[in-house]
Amino acid sequence: ETGVTQTPRHLVMGMTNKKSLKCEQHLGHNAMYWYKQSAKKPLELMFVYNFKEQTENNSVPSRFSPECPNSSHLFLHLHTLQPEDSALYLCASSPGGLAGRETQYFGPGTRLLVL
Amino acid sequence: KQEVTQIPAALSVPEGENLVLNCSFTDSAIYNLQWFRQDPGKGLTSLLLIQSSQREQTSGRLNASLDKSSGRSTLYIAASQPGDSATYLCAVRDTGNQFYFGTGTSLTVIP
Repeated sequence: ETGVTQTPRHLVMGMTNKKSLKCEQHLGHNAMYWYKQSAKKPLELMFVYNFKEQTENNSVPSRFSPECPNSSHLFLHLHTLQPEDSALYLCASSPGGLAGRETQYFGPGTRLLVL
Repeated sequence: KQEVTQIPAALSVPEGENLVLNCSFTDSAIYNLQWFRQDPGKGLTSLLLIQSSQREQTSGRLNASLDKSSGRSTLYIAASQPGDSATYLCAVRDTGNQFYFGTGTSLTVIP
């Protein structure tokens, strides 16, 4: 496979469940991102990892827990979510390093529904 | 905080027309601006990236301009085709490590 892949593509979970979203990039990039896309709202940047180190956490509730074991993989662990967390969760990657010259490449997203 | 606005929210044009999508941002201290397209239920595809020092970028039928001082960017699509139908998003990266997206313009090109 090439590019950025995300699994699962669709997920339905109850508020008491624990689940994880997975993102994998095959582009040799060093920066990875989690975004949330809700209906009628702009994409919201959640987390940024650069060379496996978390560099941004935009006031995301603790029920979302990211993990970046290496530059190619990024996880988003979900626990005790709320119905308003239902959204499309997008992963992206970019080369990393030099700022201002990076194109982000996005995965297809995971459509999450919290019941 | 940076705010990104895209106008119009939706646009419908007949095939073959040239069209312009607009993006404005409130803080001119940016590193770059990027235009994406998003097809229904899918991720984003990067179209053009303009660095803060540049005025425009071109790729095929697409041309994006940037006027940083006035906080504006436009995406020009020449000779539109039905395959261009999608939502177009612009995003700015600030001088830190933050990315701000607009809510997009939903484009429909009618055959």
